[in-house]
Amino acid sequence: QVQLVQSGAEVKKPGASVKVSCKTSGYTFTSYYMHWVRQAPGQGLEWMGIINPSGGGTSYAQKFQGRVTMTRDTSTSTVYMELSSLRSEDTAVYYCSSGLRYWGQGTLVTVSS
Amino acid sequence: DIVMTQTPLSLSVTPGQPASISCKSGQSLLHSDGKTYSFWYLQKPGQPPQLLIYEVSNRFSGVPDRFSGSGSGTDFTLKISRVEAEDVGVYYCMQSVQLPYTFGQGTKLEIK
Repeated sequence: QVQLVQSGAEVKKPGASVKVSCKTSGYTFTSYYMHWVRQAPGQGLEWMGIINPSGGGTSYAQKFQGRVTMTRDTSTSTVYMELSSLRSEDTAVYYCSSGLRYWGQGTLVTVSS
Repeated sequence: DIVMTQTPLSLSVTPGQPASISCKSGQSLLHSDGKTYSFWYLQKPGQPPQLLIYEVSNRFSGVPDRFSGSGSGTDFTLKISRVEAEDVGVYYCMQSVQLPYTFGQGTKLEIK
């Protein structure tokens, strides 16, 4: 079956960067675009951006432009999301989602001094 | 950005009774390809969102048929014909007709 397994929780200091991975299995990696969505504590869902696993093309929400980078490794069917210049407001659970159909379990990123 | 507005923001339902959630988008979700890109998700406590309905009315794999979606243009509705205890959580609508994709605020469903 389709599985998206994300990397573990992270604690970062303000100004640092974090890189979250999402390893996929159970389907053809290039079949679905991969999305990243985040959820701050007690808040709703916020779409961050999308990557085409085939060609690597990306599109980011304007809010994250310049701070987010999404990449993929086709040899391991894994996508990555790196967020830089972290601030406390970036504390959230970050989800990868394949085609907005299948979702990873989420990765908690805590930004605290 | 397309604003997605859900109503109500919370509802309390007796098991076996129906429930309905409305979602209005700031502009039409009808794409030039003829499809309408509205989605519905349920996020159960402590879990990632799970897809219920895509393209207005298509139930995703494994979703019980008590869930149904309808609507067109800018107005969409999720209906649960008979609420069960396992349906508790927060329901979100989402649009994917235009970047950036956007979600509604969420509707919290609890059981009476």
